Amino acid sequence: EPEVTQTPSHQVTQMGQEVILRCVPISNHLYFYWYRQILGQKVEFLVSFYNNEISEKSEIFDDQFSVERPDGSNFTLKIRSTKLEDSAMYFCASRGGLEQFFGPGTRLTVL
Amino acid sequence: QKEVEQNSGPLSVPEGAIASLNCTYSDRGSQSFFWYRQYSGKSPELIMSIYSNGDKEDGRFTAQLNKASQYVSLLIRDSQPSDSATYLCAVILSSNTGKLIFGQGTTLQVKP
Repeated sequence: EPEVTQTPSHQVTQMGQEVILRCVPISNHLYFYWYRQILGQKVEFLVSFYNNEISEKSEIFDDQFSVERPDGSNFTLKIRSTKLEDSAMYFCASRGGLEQFFGPGTRLTVL
Repeated sequence: QKEVEQNSGPLSVPEGAIASLNCTYSDRGSQSFFWYRQYSGKSPELIMSIYSNGDKEDGRFTAQLNKASQYVSLLIRDSQPSDSATYLCAVILSSNTGKLIFGQGTTLQVKP
């Protein structure tokens, strides 16, 4: 069964460093998303991406964040200068119809 | 007003019982509703979607939607200890980008 994959599973970084989180969506899906979940809190929408451009972004998704689909399979989230409060689980999701399927997540720890 | 609300629980039921999980949403124009299951430290796993008023059954799971009351629920019949998890209600609001708005989640504990 097709699934969304994400790498790395865990990323530890120093405050101020850049990180890139990678996702491979389900192959025939056209809509891609990033969400995050701070420990003990709810899952929050970050950004949606369709047809090689951002279709919607949340208030969280400021200038420090960017997304890219560099080739036909990968979908990346970049955080340019990480802050302590960026520590969270980051989930990639994709959809073909209305149902979204989530990857296993990347746990980002900012020290 | 919170967009999607759930009772955080925990909801504790004995094995074999029916677990009832509830969710309310604020946007009357919402059209698509989902239940995800999330085990501790894992990602959300889609278990049910519902788009029309009424009931939708899939195995031991039944989703119920009442758009007039802005209410969606999930029933789990013959609850098993492996059903112990946090259940997330998610809604696509009126926007057409498909972004999901999640509730806080209800923690379900099924006791053997």
